[in-house]
Amino acid sequence: QVQLQESGPGLVKPSGTLSLTCAVSGGSISSNNWWSWVRQPPGKGLEWIGEIYHSGSTKYKPSLKSRVTMSVDKSKNQFSLKLSSVTAADTAVYYCATSRDYVWGSWGQGALVTVSS
Amino acid sequence: QTVVTQEPSLTVSPGGTVTLTCASSTGAVTSGYYPNWFQQNPGQAPRALIYSTSNKHSWTPARFSGSLLGGKAALTLSGVQPEDEAEYYCLLYYGSAWVFGGGTKLTVL
Repeated sequence: QVQLQESGPGLVKPSGTLSLTCAVSGGSISSNNWWSWVRQPPGKGLEWIGEIYHSGSTKYKPSLKSRVTMSVDKSKNQFSLKLSSVTAADTAVYYCATSRDYVWGSWGQGALVTVSS
Repeated sequence: QTVVTQEPSLTVSPGGTVTLTCASSTGAVTSGYYPNWFQQNPGQAPRALIYSTSNKHSWTPARFSGSLLGGKAALTLSGVQPEDEAEYYCLLYYGSAWVFGGGTKLTVL
């Protein structure tokens, strides 16, 4: 199983851009996997944000599509999330995860991102 | 907007059996929604339990099983253990997006 590890700033100012990276180990980001981002506001449920394939093909949650950008860096075996124009409602634990043939498997441990001035 | 609905909370006695369900606002859940189920303990990342309706991962305890029941995806726990107390989430695929259910808080009491 691949291992995933999120990293990035834990504090982002309102109206700013949230940026996170997920490092992939134990496997190649160029494998036949989709690479996802999921978030969980404090005390609430899970929300799928979107996913990316190593080719750069993406699928985003419709309500977040205008603010989300995902990318893949094959040289570093990692993928990234950018969420623009953040508000307090974007405060959450952000997880990266992976799926293959509609089978979800590994998850990162999660990274708390707080939106506050 | 597509909504996936789960029971907010359920309680089961140790050794008992409980079924959690996952309904779609678009109609009956079928295998084509590739239902996945996850367990989440407080402060931890979710852990995958079931994929494609009824298939178990190598680490999934035998007492967990998945199925389709009455137009919904279902997760059944048989012989519940105290350590099964957790939040459970289903996940459905809608062609170009995944949608999580709201989660079921399972209490073992």
